[in-house]
Amino acid sequence: DAGVIQSPRHEVTEMGQEVTLRCKPISGHDYLFWYRQTMMRGLELLIYFNNNVPIDDSGMPEDRFSAKMPNASFSTLKIQPSEPRDSAVYFCASSFSVAKNIQYFGAGTRLSVL
Amino acid sequence: AQKITQTQPGMFVQEKEAVTLDCTYDTSDQSYGLFWYKQPSSGEMIFLIYQGSYDEQNATEGRYSLNFQKARKSANLVISASQLGDSAMYFCAMREVYNNNDMRFGAGTRLTVKP
Repeated sequence: DAGVIQSPRHEVTEMGQEVTLRCKPISGHDYLFWYRQTMMRGLELLIYFNNNVPIDDSGMPEDRFSAKMPNASFSTLKIQPSEPRDSAVYFCASSFSVAKNIQYFGAGTRLSVL
Repeated sequence: AQKITQTQPGMFVQEKEAVTLDCTYDTSDQSYGLFWYKQPSSGEMIFLIYQGSYDEQNATEGRYSLNFQKARKSANLVISASQLGDSAMYFCAMREVYNNNDMRFGAGTRLTVKP
């Protein structure tokens, strides 16, 4: 099993630019989660999907953030326009509702906005 | 609201000894799951162990065991026979089954294993 795959692993961009983070969940998993990790705030849930449908986006910081899941094997998190305070590690995780819903994480994307 | 508390920002343990990492949680729900994750310096989040609120036995996975005390709302992680590779951040997390299925994490404990 390939696990959750995120790309890119590292992203450096300038303030005001659009950033798109990508995630491929584990095949067969029906939940997908996007998290953000910073030193100040720890690990925060941004949004999660069930069967490709967004269920709870209350953690999305503001309208500059958007997430989509067009199919069961792909999701994106977009920041437009990016700001320096968006610098963080962004994790994608997936889980299978029948199997205790244990979340398996991707390796993360380290985003630096200059 | 869910709350996960890890009171030990940092812990040290001698190689080959056992260590306990503390975690307490707050919930009014009866059905929930408790999780521990390891985050080494490379950054990935690795699932270690799971305990369901209705599980009567403490969960074990190799050298990891979860000391679940439901009445005290604690879910401490015990690592036996510590190895140098156990040095990492450890996060406790809880998911309330009927609360939108989201999961909340504690602030983490940094464990350092000394040779």
